[in-house]
Amino acid sequence: DADVTQTPRNRITKTGKRIMLECSQTKGHDRMYWYRQDPGLGLRLIYYSFDVKDINKGEISDGYSVSRQAQAKFSLSLESAIPNQTALYFCATSDLMGMSTDTQYFGPGTRLTVL
Amino acid sequence: ILNVEQSPQSLHVQEGDSTNFTCSFPSSNFYALHWYRWETAKSPEALFVMTLNGDEKKKGRISATLNTKEGYSYLYIKGSQPEDSATYLCASQAARQLTFGSGTQLTVLP
Repeated sequence: DADVTQTPRNRITKTGKRIMLECSQTKGHDRMYWYRQDPGLGLRLIYYSFDVKDINKGEISDGYSVSRQAQAKFSLSLESAIPNQTALYFCATSDLMGMSTDTQYFGPGTRLTVL
Repeated sequence: ILNVEQSPQSLHVQEGDSTNFTCSFPSSNFYALHWYRWETAKSPEALFVMTLNGDEKKKGRISATLNTKEGYSYLYIKGSQPEDSATYLCASQAARQLTFGSGTQLTVLP
């Protein structure tokens, strides 16, 4: 079984709809991340969480919100989806302790299309 | 915000060819440089992480070098095989975040 899972894997929605993307992990990591990937732009950080009580904005947080329900679960919400939020979304985890190299482990991605 | 740049954006090589591509990153506030391999429809997977100037890592036919003073890393693939076809991402780590480049998409033709 995959260590980092994302649901749904594909989603088509309409402008203005609220949508939630979910991420679960069995790696026991404290740190979780949400990225979006657009062609030619690489992975850009939306939000990250270093533990259940710690939520931080990333580079492109506008239009998104997150919830860290438990150590293993980190959800990304689009309150009112717009077409330029069409992208591939990745969840990732890491177990970085203190200042060390932060190898991240990625989920399979959610392809979101906003019409 | 760090700017991490990768070149070329895409590359086609013949099976058996050796190839290399570049990751450039700001050398200020640098802590580590990561390489990831991302196959289509799969999750990006970590290949290497390097921290020290002059670091060199190797995994089978793939190797990477790091120059922190000038802010670049090279990824080399010796004797490319079709299964090496993937997008190779680099990411610079500073403090609490990774900043990713846009990747080099490698296609190895049989």
